[in-house]
Amino acid sequence: EAGVTQSPTHLIKTRGQQATLRCSPISGHTSVYWYQQALGLGLQFLLWYDEGEERNRGNFPPRFSGRQFPNYSSELNVNALELEDSALYLCASSWGTEETQYFGPGTRLLVL
Amino acid sequence: GQQLNQSPQSMFIQEGEDVSMNCTSSSIFNTWLWYKQEPGEGPVLLIALYKAGELTSNGRLTAQFGITRKDSFLNISASIPSDVGIYFCAGRFGNEKLTFGTGTRLTIIP
Repeated sequence: EAGVTQSPTHLIKTRGQQATLRCSPISGHTSVYWYQQALGLGLQFLLWYDEGEERNRGNFPPRFSGRQFPNYSSELNVNALELEDSALYLCASSWGTEETQYFGPGTRLLVL
Repeated sequence: GQQLNQSPQSMFIQEGEDVSMNCTSSSIFNTWLWYKQEPGEGPVLLIALYKAGELTSNGRLTAQFGITRKDSFLNISASIPSDVGIYFCAGRFGNEKLTFGTGTRLTIIP
C-alpha cells in the first residue's frame, strides 16, 4: 500500500512569489495535516483538513492557506513568500480525526 | 504553537548503550505517539500508546504511557548506528489536534 506522497520534493522560489505544495494521503484516509519544520527545529502545526473542511489552523498568517479535494488530496498555498518561509513542509494523513498520523517525505521549500 | 516538553534536547552516546528520553505535558492526553525522523525525511511512527500505564515494545524500543497521563517515556536498548535521528513525542486528547514535542536528537559515537 502506498504511503503519503508529496510533490514536489524540492521547490525554489524568490521572495514575493507564491508556492503550491501537494499531498496525497494514504488510500482510505480522510484527514490531512500540514506542518512546517524549519531547519533544526520541531514541527509547527499549520492546517488540518477532514472530509473537505478545515478543522483547525495553527498560528500562521493568512497567506498560508490550503484546501482538501473530494479525493482527500490536499494543497498548501503560501502567498507573498518571505525568506523565513524556507523550511521542510510535511503532510500527514489519518483514517479519522482521532487516528494515528502517517507522514510523507516532505517538500523542501527554499525562498531566495 | 503549543508544544510538549521533551528531554533531553540532544544525546551523544556510544554504540551499545541504552537510551532514555521523555515527554511531559501540562495537560492530560489519551494518546501518546513516538516518531523518528532521519535527515531529509518525514517522521516515521515507532510506537502508539492509547492507555494510561500501557507499556509497548517494538524491537529494541519500549515506550510507556505515564500513569498521570501527562507524560511518556521511550527507551532504546543496545543502540546501533542506524538509531541516529531525531525522536519526537506527540500527544492528543480526544479529537483535538496532535501536539508534538520539541524533539531529542540522538547521535551515536562509534
